[in-house]
Amino acid sequence: NAGVTQTPKFQVLKTGQSMTLQCAQDMNHEYMSWYRQDPGMGLRLIHYSVGAGITDQGEVPNGYNVSRSTTEDFPLRLLSAAPSQTSVYFCASSPPGALPTQYFGPGTRLTVL
Amino acid sequence: QQQVKQSPQSLIVQKGGISIINCAYENTAFDYFPWYQQFPGKGPALLIAIRPDVSEKKEGRFTISFNKSAKQFSLHIMDSQPGDSATYFCAASRGTGGFKTIFGAGTRLFVKA
Repeated sequence: NAGVTQTPKFQVLKTGQSMTLQCAQDMNHEYMSWYRQDPGMGLRLIHYSVGAGITDQGEVPNGYNVSRSTTEDFPLRLLSAAPSQTSVYFCASSPPGALPTQYFGPGTRLTVL
Repeated sequence: QQQVKQSPQSLIVQKGGISIINCAYENTAFDYFPWYQQFPGKGPALLIAIRPDVSEKKEGRFTISFNKSAKQFSLHIMDSQPGDSATYFCAASRGTGGFKTIFGAGTRLFVKA
């Protein structure tokens, strides 16, 4: 199993550009989430999904869109990139059950100029 | 009510020493308290976790101490090794799926050889 994979690893955008961060998991997990990690702020939840076709907002959703057409994939779209979106983005998945353990991908480092 | 406060921000420990990281939470609805370990350039990975119905959990050199009445919990790393040098995040969660997880700001641990 590859676990949770993310592409690209690094990306530089100009203000106003749009792009999609890809996330895929091969563990048949129902739950998937997107976080951003900023220095001194831990991980903050952007959007999450409890299954194909179902998504919801997290703590910091503004400027981001998600969709979940399959169990495996959960892409994150930046509609019009802003310098405030410079961050490291992590995708995570977790199986249903009593323990909410999350499995994280390796991250995408995004810089918006 | 949703915050998880983590201290210290950074920690330097001599090889063989004990590393201690502390966290405090406010929301008594949290029912799962994981610690994640993150190496540079990687995603966080679950290290150890505890439920509030026990006061201590030990896995190898890693121990969580939990004080429900004080709403505090801590990670102790015994016989710290240079390979333990990483960023550690405490977290608090409720329900399934992990997307109701609130992360602390992180502690950067450096173990001197």
